[in-house]
Amino acid sequence: QQQVKQSPQSLIVQKGGISIINCAYENTAFDYFPWYQQFPGKGPALLIAIRPDVSEKKEGRFTISFNKSAKQFSLHIMDSQPGDSATYFCAASDGGNEKLTFGTGTRLTIIP
Amino acid sequence: KAGVTQTPRYLIKTRGQQVTLSCSPISGHRSVSWYQQTPGQGLQFLFEYFSETQRNKGNFPGRFSGRQFSNSRSEMNVSTLELGDSALYLCASSLEQRGGYTFGSGTRLTVV
Repeated sequence: QQQVKQSPQSLIVQKGGISIINCAYENTAFDYFPWYQQFPGKGPALLIAIRPDVSEKKEGRFTISFNKSAKQFSLHIMDSQPGDSATYFCAASDGGNEKLTFGTGTRLTIIP
Repeated sequence: KAGVTQTPRYLIKTRGQQVTLSCSPISGHRSVSWYQQTPGQGLQFLFEYFSETQRNKGNFPGRFSGRQFSNSRSEMNVSTLELGDSALYLCASSLEQRGGYTFGSGTRLTVV
């Protein structure tokens, strides 16, 4: 019940297109859903996060959509750029502790 | 503002040895967490410390231990190393509870 399932495993998008990565969770106690971006040789960096009291959050070209009833959330990257090529992780935690449960990651490649 | 600093960056150890990894959080951050990242298992939570107290622990054997000092710096120790302990070990710090984590670049441990 602690799993966070992420898809797709890899994604190729043309420059200027929209990249969409999806995550689903089972634990209804989860109440904090961050997305992290990781470049080779670096640790994950927090991109954007959402709590279940809102259905959407936008920061620049990055948007999280959240569907509480379906227990799903997704990351949309608008106007994708080659510099967005990285591995993206969704994660979740519950109010009881700081532990983040991560998805398996999506390797995003933006082609010119 | 300095980020999360992890030392050393790379480490090669022999099976059966022990190892200590160090993490200096962002100044003022009191919560420090450790994660193990491997291609097969992804990002897995090891433990979290706040004000020198372990608040949460993941599902790792007792060979994995950690501590936090009064200046919030943290160390993790792995005893009796196994080949499967080869991984990127990431430290993350947070200013407040349920805040976004800032990760370090990790320590790449190779057990031979």
